[in-house]
Amino acid sequence: DAGVTQSPTHLIKTRGQHVTLRCSPISGHKSVSWYQQVLGQGPQFIFQYYEKEERGRGNFPDRFSARQFPNYSSELNVNALLLGDSALYLCASSLEGGSNQPQHFGDGTRLSIL
Amino acid sequence: KQEVTQIPAALSVPEGENLVLNCSFTDSAIYNLQWFRQDPGKGLTSLLLIQSSQREQTSGRLNASLDKSSGRSTLYIAASQPGDSATYLCAVPASGGYNKLIFGAGTRLAVHP
Repeated sequence: DAGVTQSPTHLIKTRGQHVTLRCSPISGHKSVSWYQQVLGQGPQFIFQYYEKEERGRGNFPDRFSARQFPNYSSELNVNALLLGDSALYLCASSLEGGSNQPQHFGDGTRLSIL
Repeated sequence: KQEVTQIPAALSVPEGENLVLNCSFTDSAIYNLQWFRQDPGKGLTSLLLIQSSQREQTSGRLNASLDKSSGRSTLYIAASQPGDSATYLCAVPASGGYNKLIFGAGTRLAVHP
């Protein structure tokens, strides 16, 4: 069975641009969470979506938004990119949305802002 | 507010050594604790998940223990190999009912031949 898949693998953008990252969860998983990981740190929670609704949001500005589609795949959108948005963006899926659910991670999208 | 700390930040050992990685958390009211492995530039691979009712979990050469009352977990790696070189992260779920993991900054392990 396929694991969590993310696209694209790498992306280079310039300041002020907009970016869309995509995530397909493990088949049957209804919850998708997004994390940002800057070099040398642990991942930081951005959003959780469960059954197409936002369930939780981390301490990120409104430039970050996401949505979940009927097939449970998800998009993360970032507007007005800043140099500090350069990071590895990770998507994780879980079967259900509760806090006791183990999360399974994709390989991430490496975003570089010039 | 839950905080997760990992010690040491980096570790370099010769092949064959047994080693222990440490993880501490400030709020003991957790459902579970996960240990992940991350290779450079890659995503996270789940190694072990310990439920709050468990004291330890084992997978091959890996053994993870959990002491909720003291807010600590350890990951024991037996007979380390160069292929074990990676960053090891521990994470606990945040309170609030939604699926948010709080991570430590990781321990970067290098096992040299």
